[in-house]
Amino acid sequence: GENVEQHPSTLSVQEGDSAVIKCTYSDSASNYFPWYKQELGKRPQLIIDIRSNVGEKKDQRIAVTLNKTAKHFSLHITETQPEDSAVYFCAPRVIGGGGADGLTFGKGTHLIIQP
Amino acid sequence: GAGVSQSPSNKVTEKGKDVELRCDPISGHTALYWYRQRLGQGLEFLIYFQGNSAPDKSGLPSDRFSAERTGESVSTLTIQRTQQEDSAVYLCASSPGRGGPYNEQFFGPGTRLTVL
Repeated sequence: GENVEQHPSTLSVQEGDSAVIKCTYSDSASNYFPWYKQELGKRPQLIIDIRSNVGEKKDQRIAVTLNKTAKHFSLHITETQPEDSAVYFCAPRVIGGGGADGLTFGKGTHLIIQP
Repeated sequence: GAGVSQSPSNKVTEKGKDVELRCDPISGHTALYWYRQRLGQGLEFLIYFQGNSAPDKSGLPSDRFSAERTGESVSTLTIQRTQQEDSAVYLCASSPGRGGPYNEQFFGPGTRLTVL
């Protein structure tokens, strides 16, 4: 199965600064790279995803970059705001490979936005 | 439209009892997933249903855990002879299907299971 690691496990930044969370994976066949956000006591929600034919995707203050050669992808949040405080999970997957899709989530990164 | 729903929202049980957790996916979603999330921890994959294919049970931690799905609708996760280490939030998610742009998982609110 897929080995997934997230770094850092906890990240504290000043409001307005940028935050970057990195996800490394082991399965070179992975072709779908989502990031989920889970606020305290709530369910995880997809915030951005990227497919292996794209190197970068941006949506307002958030972006995801992919390095398939090095097998890692990163979540970038600019101009951080208090509502960005949450736990972020990556979940790289092999989609459409014919077998069971990998379903391994990273252990999460707790992002804390300091006022 | 309605999202993924789960019931009960909370379940307290005694060690050794069996429990059933229910998940109603978004209508039309062919894929359904179950996860376990212990307090302060990440999402642990349990089982995955995709259409009429055989389910991927590779994440079930022991034979006390089982799950069924009726067609492409409701799913039930059953834990037999519950243990204290089963205490966690059990999350269900559904997605429209396999491949293409339909990979986003929509999560339910979870069932918080406490085994005394």
